[in-house]
Amino acid sequence: SSELTQDPAVSVALGQTVRITCQGDSLRTYYASWYQQKPGQAPVVVIYGKNNRPSGIPDRFSGSSSGNTASLTITGAQAEDEADYYCNSRDNSGDHLVFGGGTKLTVL
Amino acid sequence: QVQLQESGPGLVKPSQTLSLTCTVSGGSISSGAYYWSWIRQHPGKGLEWIGYIYFSGSTYYNPSLKTRVTISRDTSKNQISLKLSSVTAADTAVYYCARENYGDYSDWFDPWGQGTQVTVSS
Repeated sequence: SSELTQDPAVSVALGQTVRITCQGDSLRTYYASWYQQKPGQAPVVVIYGKNNRPSGIPDRFSGSSSGNTASLTITGAQAEDEADYYCNSRDNSGDHLVFGGGTKLTVL
Repeated sequence: QVQLQESGPGLVKPSQTLSLTCTVSGGSISSGAYYWSWIRQHPGKGLEWIGYIYFSGSTYYNPSLKTRVTISRDTSKNQISLKLSSVTAADTAVYYCARENYGDYSDWFDPWGQGTQVTVSS
C-alpha cells in the first residue's frame, strides 16, 4: 500500500478551480512533487518544492502544503488538464521515494 | 537538454532476469547534482519507484523489490542499467528511467524517458 494517499478521482467544470490532495506522514518533513500523466505518455512534473513550476507549465498550476497534506491546485481548469495526477515525496526514512496512488481528473 | 531513452527486451520469460538500459544524452550521469532512477507502471495502475543510483555509485531500492533489483551505471557509455531477477507476471509493466533532482526537502523527477513496455510471459 502507498504511504501517500490520493483521492482516486476528481472532477471539475471547465474554467473552475480544483484542488487535488495528497496525504502522508512524510509530507510533514518533505515537499511533494506533482506529475501530470496523459494516456500513453510519460509523466511530466508540474509542481515541485514549496511551489515551483518548471518552465512551460502554465501558471494556473500551483502547490501548497499544510501538516501532512500537500495540494495541487488548478485555477481555471482547461480541457487539456484532464489527466492522471500523481504526488511523490520521500518516505519517512528519507532514503526511499514513494508515489501516491494517483488522481484521475475529469474536466466537465 | 537532457534526454533519456530506455531500451531492452520487450518480452521476458518467467523466472528469468529483466535487463534494461537507459541511455542519457545531453548531460553526464557523473554529475553530483542528480540521482538516476527507475520507475515502473503496471497496466492501468499507478507509478512505483524501483530505485536510484547516485553519481558515487550508491544505490537505494524500494524495500519491496530490494532482494531482486540491481541498478548500475556505465559512465563510459553514460548509461544506467536495471536488472530485476526472478520475474513473474506481476513484473509486467512500463519501465521508465528518470533523472531525479533534489533540493531543500524536495525531490522531483525531470526529465523522464518515454518508457518501455516489458511483458513477462512464457
